[in-house]
Amino acid sequence: AQTVTQSQPEMSVQEAETVTLSCTYDTSESDYYLFWYKQPPSRQMILVIRQEAYKQQNATENRFSVNFQKAAKSFSLKISDSQLGDAAMYFCAYRSRSGGGADGLTFGKGTHLIIQP
Amino acid sequence: DAGVIQSPRHEVTEMGQEVTLRCKPISGHNSLFWYRQTMMRGLELLIYFNNNVPIDDSGMPEDRFSAKMPNASFSTLKIQPSEPRDSAVYFCASRGGSGLRGTEAFFGQGTRLTVV
Repeated sequence: AQTVTQSQPEMSVQEAETVTLSCTYDTSESDYYLFWYKQPPSRQMILVIRQEAYKQQNATENRFSVNFQKAAKSFSLKISDSQLGDAAMYFCAYRSRSGGGADGLTFGKGTHLIIQP
Repeated sequence: DAGVIQSPRHEVTEMGQEVTLRCKPISGHNSLFWYRQTMMRGLELLIYFNNNVPIDDSGMPEDRFSAKMPNASFSTLKIQPSEPRDSAVYFCASRGGSGLRGTEAFFGQGTRLTVV
């Protein structure tokens, strides 16, 4: 079974600064997806960014980018120019591409991101 | 599209009562998931449907939990009888479509269940 570990329960950053959230995972598969989801106080789970494991290029979405290190099984999220609206819980998630019963998301425990004005 | 719709948003019930949570997935999505979120265990997959058929229910904690998907636009998660340790936020998510868009699971706003 796959596991996802987020070692930072809480992170704090000054507005406009850059912050990096860590995520490591364990799997024996070679083809999979990795995701970062944001959960603000409203409870809504919002997809921030996704990475396909077979792609070497790191995904980027505006101020959000990832550092995907497949051999190290590491998938960190970098948020540039932090904004107050970025304050939320951030979850790293894994999904197999093998299909069948392994098609749901495996989540890390989350990192609470605080933005200091 | 209105997104994934869950009802109710909040539910408070007494121990021993039956609870039914409801979900309407995004139209055209063929995969539906039920997750549970607690402080202790985080987000856990309970059950997964593909084309209305349950594929993997290994995450369902006990026989008190059951889920159905009678058609492509509706699913229920039932707990009978409910216990205080079932208190959690329950999310429904759906996924479908082709290409990269088909890799993304869209979540409802969740149902916060409190069993007293």
